[in-house]
Amino acid sequence: EIVLTQSPGTLSLSPGERATLSCRASQSVGGSYLAWFQQKPGQAPRLLIYGTSTRATGIPDRFSGSGSGTDFTLTISRLEPEDFAVYYCQQYGRSPRTFGQGIKVEVK
Amino acid sequence: QVQLVQSGAEVKKPGASVKVSCKTSGYTFTNYDVSWVRQAPGQGLEWMGWISPSTGNRNYLQNFQGRVSVTTDTSTSTAYMELRSLRYDDTAVYYCVREDYGGYFDLWGQGTLVTVSS
Repeated sequence: EIVLTQSPGTLSLSPGERATLSCRASQSVGGSYLAWFQQKPGQAPRLLIYGTSTRATGIPDRFSGSGSGTDFTLTISRLEPEDFAVYYCQQYGRSPRTFGQGIKVEVK
Repeated sequence: QVQLVQSGAEVKKPGASVKVSCKTSGYTFTNYDVSWVRQAPGQGLEWMGWISPSTGNRNYLQNFQGRVSVTTDTSTSTAYMELRSLRYDDTAVYYCVREDYGGYFDLWGQGTLVTVSS
């Protein structure tokens, strides 16, 4: 199975700052089948990005995804108060679908 | 609107079984596959299995082989996940998830907490 490793584990930033979240795969994620989810406490995850770089419906353009092969990045250009949450990457190109362990973005 | 509504929280004893339902609405049920994902307390997300409501094809994570079954009832647009021989470490929130045509998880149910306790 493809193992996804996210870094850093925790990102401490202030509102207005830029956040850069990394997701590295143990083998190539073919077809750019890489997604990002946001999860807030007590809520289900919400799709942010699919196909490496396509924003899901209703997702603001401060969220952007990039990467290819084994290295992927989610960038939040300017953090808003509602962006402080846990973020997961997921590959859905090969079975089993796998998730990274998550990155917590917290208020500094 | 499009939604997936799951059944309520469950408390089960070790060795028992649990069946979680996921009633969908607002879209054509057979046009989208359904996956199940679980999240243990304070932990990350784990994909468990997938089913195609249109064909009945399904696939499970090897870790759950023999213990999990995912089914659908197309007459009620509902998906089900049954987990048998429950263990303490099966305590988790279980989510049903709709898969868009591209295979990505575009819509999640609200989650069902299953607690395994003696």
